[in-house]
Amino acid sequence: DTGVSQNPRHKITKRGQNVTFRCDPISEHNRLYWYRQTLGQGPEFLTYFQNEAQLEKSRLLSDRFSAERPKGSFSTLEIQRTEQGDSAMYLCASSSGQGMGYEQYFGPGTRLTVT
Amino acid sequence: AQKVTQAQTEISVVEKEDVTLDCVYETRDTTYYLFWYKQPPSGELVFLIRRNSFDEQNEISGRYSWNFQKSTSSFNFTITASQVVDSAVYFCALSDLTGANSKLTFGKGITLSVRP
Repeated sequence: DTGVSQNPRHKITKRGQNVTFRCDPISEHNRLYWYRQTLGQGPEFLTYFQNEAQLEKSRLLSDRFSAERPKGSFSTLEIQRTEQGDSAMYLCASSSGQGMGYEQYFGPGTRLTVT
Repeated sequence: AQKVTQAQTEISVVEKEDVTLDCVYETRDTTYYLFWYKQPPSGELVFLIRRNSFDEQNEISGRYSWNFQKSTSSFNFTITASQVVDSAVYFCALSDLTGANSKLTFGKGITLSVRP
């Protein structure tokens, strides 16, 4: 089983530009999560997909953020009109199981730097 | 609201010492899950353990052991005979089961440095 992969690993962009990140979960994992981690903090939940349906969005996810998971496989997270405050590590995780509370497996993250 | 507190921010030990990382949580749920993750310098979060709220048995896995005490809302993690490779940031997390999405609420993490 390959793990969760994320691309790109690093992204440097200028303020005001749009960026898109991709996450490929562990195959057959139906649940996919996006988190954001800033320096010295734990990851914070952004959004959750079960299959292709986006079931929850955190209030951290402003209107400039959008996430998709077409066909219930890979997911993309887009940030429009980036701001310096968007600089962070963006983590993707996936999990399986019919119930709740299953462990989430994380990808290596995409580190975004907005200059 | 869910909350996880890791009061220790940085711990430094000498190799072979035992070290305990503390975690205190708050939740109104009667059913919940607790986790520990390790984040080495490479950055990728590595799952270590999951514990559900109905199982208060302590768990041991090699040099790692976990002590779950519901009465004090704590889920502490002990590394016995620490090694340099244990140097990492360790996160305790709580699974939010409201809305059935199982999102994780993390503490701020504890940076463990193990010196040779």
